Amino acid sequence: DTGVSQNPRHKITKRGQNVTFRCDPISEHNRLYWYRQTLGQGPEFLTYFQNEAQLEKSRLLSDRFSAERPKGSFSTLEIQRTEQGDSAMYLCASSFQGGNGYTFGSGTRLTVV
Amino acid sequence: AQSVSQHNHHVILSEAASLELGCNYSYGGTVNLFWYVQYPGQHLQLLLKYFSGDPLVKGIKGFEAEFIKSKFSFNLRKPSVQWSDTAEYFCADFNDYKLSFGAGTTVTVRA
Repeated sequence: DTGVSQNPRHKITKRGQNVTFRCDPISEHNRLYWYRQTLGQGPEFLTYFQNEAQLEKSRLLSDRFSAERPKGSFSTLEIQRTEQGDSAMYLCASSFQGGNGYTFGSGTRLTVV
Repeated sequence: AQSVSQHNHHVILSEAASLELGCNYSYGGTVNLFWYVQYPGQHLQLLLKYFSGDPLVKGIKGFEAEFIKSKFSFNLRKPSVQWSDTAEYFCADFNDYKLSFGAGTTVTVRA
């Protein structure tokens, strides 16, 4: 499968714990995006990378959230001191620069208990 | 900045019925509009997209959408739905570097 891969598929964590998600984009794509989707809502933009540079961060991304994309390949999204409000589906997508068609991964569903 | 809004939150219909889902965009420059579908437990998939040209866009799985500039609309249609069309449908626009999504419409097709 050469699509966008996200791990883990599901994560249950206790409030206050840190969690990290991984996204492996399509190898030829130099842009990588993170979105969050909650029940009854469309995906909301969090941040994006062009190669290894993080070029934009949404105000939804509080200081507890950090994303990296070392070497412009895979990306990680870390949430520190998780809160119940962080429970959501976290989606990753990738695209070519200048392209406006994304390929989405299946997402990581986070449940904070 | 451009944004999209979807009118219907939940649509329930029977197989073979016609489907139309509303999407309005707020004009903010170049128009790049999309419809995505998310089947239960699956990732978002592109149904169709419009950038310019023929305002009637054909997509996959028998879906089509019509861009009506005067109404700022980009409604999704399918003449005859199947049970397998049960899914969540999202309208989106592409602005600069990112897709911005509407709230989505859940479509339930009864066999």
